[in-house]
Amino acid sequence: NAGVTQTPKFQVLKTGQSMTLQCAQDMNHNSMYWYRQDPGMGLRLIYYSASEGTTDKGEVPNGYNVSRLNKREFSLRLESAAPSQTSVYFCASTSRLPEGDTQYFGPGTRLTVL
Amino acid sequence: DAKTTQPNSMESNEEEPVHLPCNHSTISGTDYIHWYRQLPSQGPEYVIHGLTSNVNNRMASLAIAEDRKSSTLILHRATLRDAAVYYCILRDVRNRGTSYDKVIFGPGTSLSVIP
Repeated sequence: NAGVTQTPKFQVLKTGQSMTLQCAQDMNHNSMYWYRQDPGMGLRLIYYSASEGTTDKGEVPNGYNVSRLNKREFSLRLESAAPSQTSVYFCASTSRLPEGDTQYFGPGTRLTVL
Repeated sequence: DAKTTQPNSMESNEEEPVHLPCNHSTISGTDYIHWYRQLPSQGPEYVIHGLTSNVNNRMASLAIAEDRKSSTLILHRATLRDAAVYYCILRDVRNRGTSYDKVIFGPGTSLSVIP
């Protein structure tokens, strides 16, 4: 099991450019999430997908779009990048067990917008 | 949504026990208490979770107050590798698989371990 994988690991964009962050999990989890973490700060939820075919806004959705392509993949798109979107982006998925749910996180994508 | 409050930072000496507190006074009966930690430059990782009873695993212990309005993550012997940000979050089991399952993280507690 690779767990949760994210690509790319690092990216530098210019203001106004667009890009898509990819996330995939091989654990057959239903729920997937995108978070951002600014330097020295906690995680903030951008979007999440409770199941294939559904997506919902989190705390900070403005400037982002998501696609739940299938059960495995959940992508995050920046249509017109801004310096305020410089951050580390984490994808996560949730296992659902009778004794409680557990989130698994990817290694993160470090994005700089100039 | 039930919220949690944690101290911003704590310090511990190496090889001593650490008690990390979390208050969740508005917890509902169906909220599980989860703890995650984030090592420097890494994604968060699961530590432990529980509902009502105290829980132990190889990483830590979770002590839950009888009224469930607070909990404590216990690291029995802190090591330098335990220096991390620790997050306490609540997840309502009724929200599983629904659009209400947002999973919000607060700022957490930054734990420093002194050699």
